[in-house]
Amino acid sequence: AQKITQTQPGMFVQEKEAVTLDCTYDTSDPSYGLFWYKQPSSGEMIFLIYQGSYDQQNATEGRYSLNFQKARKSANLVISASQLGDSAMYFCAMRVKEYNFNKFYFGSGTKLNVKP
Amino acid sequence: DARVTQTPRHKVTEMGQEVTMRCQPILGHNTVFWYRQTMMQGLELLAYFRNRAPLDDSGMPKDRFSAEMPDATLATLKIQPSEPRDSAVYFCASGLVRGAEGALYEQYFGPGTRLTVT
Repeated sequence: AQKITQTQPGMFVQEKEAVTLDCTYDTSDPSYGLFWYKQPSSGEMIFLIYQGSYDQQNATEGRYSLNFQKARKSANLVISASQLGDSAMYFCAMRVKEYNFNKFYFGSGTKLNVKP
Repeated sequence: DARVTQTPRHKVTEMGQEVTMRCQPILGHNTVFWYRQTMMQGLELLAYFRNRAPLDDSGMPKDRFSAEMPDATLATLKIQPSEPRDSAVYFCASGLVRGAEGALYEQYFGPGTRLTVT
C-alpha cells in the first residue's frame, strides 16, 4: 500500500531559526519521487523541492533542503533561516508508478507559523 | 516565467448548473493532473492525462464529472449538474514525463478555481 504521513499538524519557529518538517512514506515501488509543496494563505501550491529514490545526495534548493533517509523511509524538509513569508501549509507528496503511469499521494500537511 | 493558468479563479453557481473549468498547462509539458482540495478530504486526484490521453480518472465521479484535453494547450474539467458537495478548490497541475521509466520529476500547480455551489 502507498502511504505518506505528516505527523505535525502545526509548528512554530522563531524567525531566522531553522525548522524541520517531518514526512514519512511507504511504498513497494523501488523508483519513486518525493516532493514538497508550500501553500500560503493565498491558496496556490508552490513546488519547492524534489528527491528521487535513487538520488545519492540530499536535494537542496536555496534555503530548502530535503533530509532523505531511505532506510527509515523519511523525507523531512529543512528550512534554514526562517522568514515571516515562510508561514504557510507545507505538503509532502510521493510519486509512484501504478499501472505504468505516475500517481501522486499527498500528506495531510503541516501548518508552519514563523514568529517575529 | 512559465506558469500553469486556470480560469475562472472563482465561480459561484447554483445547484444543477453546469460548471466548466479551464487549464492551460506549461508549454512543453506532457502531463496534466486535476485535483480537488477540501478541508475534510485534503488533496484528491481526479484525473490524469499524458500526451492528451486520459490515463486515470478513477478519482472522478463519472456520473457528473468529465475531463478532456481538446489540444495540448487546454484541459477542461466539467461538472454537470453541480451539487453543493462539489464546493472545493480545483487545481490543475502539469509536468514533464522524462527518461526511460517515464517518471515525473516536477509538477507545477495552477492557482486553482474556487468553486462554490449554493
